[in-house]
Amino acid sequence: DIQMTQSPSSLSASVGDRVTITCRASQGISNFLAWYQQKPGKVPKLLIYGAYTLQPGVPSRFSGSGSGTDFTLTISSLQPEDVATYYCQMYNSAPLFGGGTKVEIK
Amino acid sequence: EVQLVQSGAEVKKPGESLKISCQGSGYSFSRYWIGWVRQRPGKGLEWMGTIYPDDSDTRHSPSFQGQVTISADKSTNTAYLQWSSLQASDTAMYYCGRGSGSYFNAYDAFDIWGQGTMVTVSS
Repeated sequence: DIQMTQSPSSLSASVGDRVTITCRASQGISNFLAWYQQKPGKVPKLLIYGAYTLQPGVPSRFSGSGSGTDFTLTISSLQPEDVATYYCQMYNSAPLFGGGTKVEIK
Repeated sequence: EVQLVQSGAEVKKPGESLKISCQGSGYSFSRYWIGWVRQRPGKGLEWMGTIYPDDSDTRHSPSFQGQVTISADKSTNTAYLQWSSLQASDTAMYYCGRGSGSYFNAYDAFDIWGQGTMVTVSS
C-alpha cells in the first residue's frame, strides 16, 4: 500500500514569509497529487491538482511542484488569511490524504 | 452555480442505522464521480469511496469496504452514504466531493465539496 508522509505537521511563520510544505509518497504516483486548504471549522478547498495546476480563483502566491514521490506546496508570501491546515492527496490509485500541516502566524 | 448540498446533522445511538445524502446541482450530476470523505473530530481527512451515478459503479477504500454502503439515485441527483449498525467510532464529519467527469478516472481530486454532515453516535 502507498503511504503519504506530509511534513512538517505544523509550522509557525511571519506574514510575508515563504512557506514550504512537503509530501512524500512511498512509491511513484506520477503527478496524481492534489493540495487542499482547510480553514478552521470550514470545508476543504482544492488549491492545486496534477501536482502543479492551480485551481481557478486560487491566489498565485500558492504553487505546487514535484513528480514521482516528492512534492511541495509553496506559499510565496504568507498572508493572515492563509492560516489553515493543508493536506496533500494522492489519486494515482485509491486516494489517500497526507496527515496535514497546520500553518499559523508567528 | 455548481454545488453539493448535504443532509443535516444526525445524532444516533450505537447499533442504529443511518443514511445521509448529498444532492448535486448546476452540472450533469450523473456524469461525475462523487466521493465521500470522513473527518473525525480534530483529525485529518480519510477517503472512503466513490460512485459514478450514471451506472452506480462504486469503488471503496479497503479501510471502509464492508463498513458502509455508497449508493446513488441519478433521477434525483443524489448520492448516499449508509451504515447498517453505527458505532461510536463513526462519530465524525462526513463530506461529499465531486471528482472526475470521466468514467475512466474513478480516482481524482475533489473540486467541489458539500458543506458536511456531522454524525454523532452516542448512547
